[in-house]
Amino acid sequence: GAVVSQHPSWVICKSGTSVKIECRSLDFQATTMFWYRQFPKQSLMLMATSNEGSKATYEQGVEKDKFLINHASLTLSTLTVTSAHPEDSSFYICSARGFSGGNNEQFFGPGTRLTVL
Amino acid sequence: AQSVTQPDIHITVSEGASLELRCNYSYGATPYLFWYVQSPGQGLQLLLKYFSGDTLVQGIKGFEAEFKRSQSSFNLRKPSVHWSDAAEYFCAGYFNDYKLSFGAGTTVTVRA
Repeated sequence: GAVVSQHPSWVICKSGTSVKIECRSLDFQATTMFWYRQFPKQSLMLMATSNEGSKATYEQGVEKDKFLINHASLTLSTLTVTSAHPEDSSFYICSARGFSGGNNEQFFGPGTRLTVL
Repeated sequence: AQSVTQPDIHITVSEGASLELRCNYSYGATPYLFWYVQSPGQGLQLLLKYFSGDTLVQGIKGFEAEFKRSQSSFNLRKPSVHWSDAAEYFCAGYFNDYKLSFGAGTTVTVRA
């Protein structure tokens, strides 16, 4: 199957700093990428959807100025958590989808654990 | 509203026993349905998917799922679980906006 990578796999930062998380589709072109947030023992919550070359579409309640998403190429999307605070600590998972023969499957990255001190 | 529901939060099963995880959906048509597994601190791995056709779907790691339109269900089964099957399992579906909607997840514990 297709591979999606995330970097870093974990990050610890001080409150007030910004953190960038990268999501790459390694062997396919991702026309759409998704960013999810997962709290402990909970399901995945979709934060935003981004299409290559377009502005991201954010889900209700997600602050677009805090969670900046860039999808500059068909293989890379980034999520920047700006002015991070302890409540932003979470597990962030990206997912990528490309269209190949009508297959609408999403492929998930391994996740990034963010801890804000 | 379209949604996916997993009624069981936590299931404990003995190693070697069978496992069935429930998933129900609410939608006026047939959604695309998926089962994912997540090990602690890891991303999601696709176990199987249903788009159309044969309602009994075979997946990886010995899992299968059956789509039942009359019950709006897509239950996941495995005849004999292994200790390595202990994980979190998520049912998910695409509805008309092609954004995955996840169930709350079921935690599976395997006892020796």
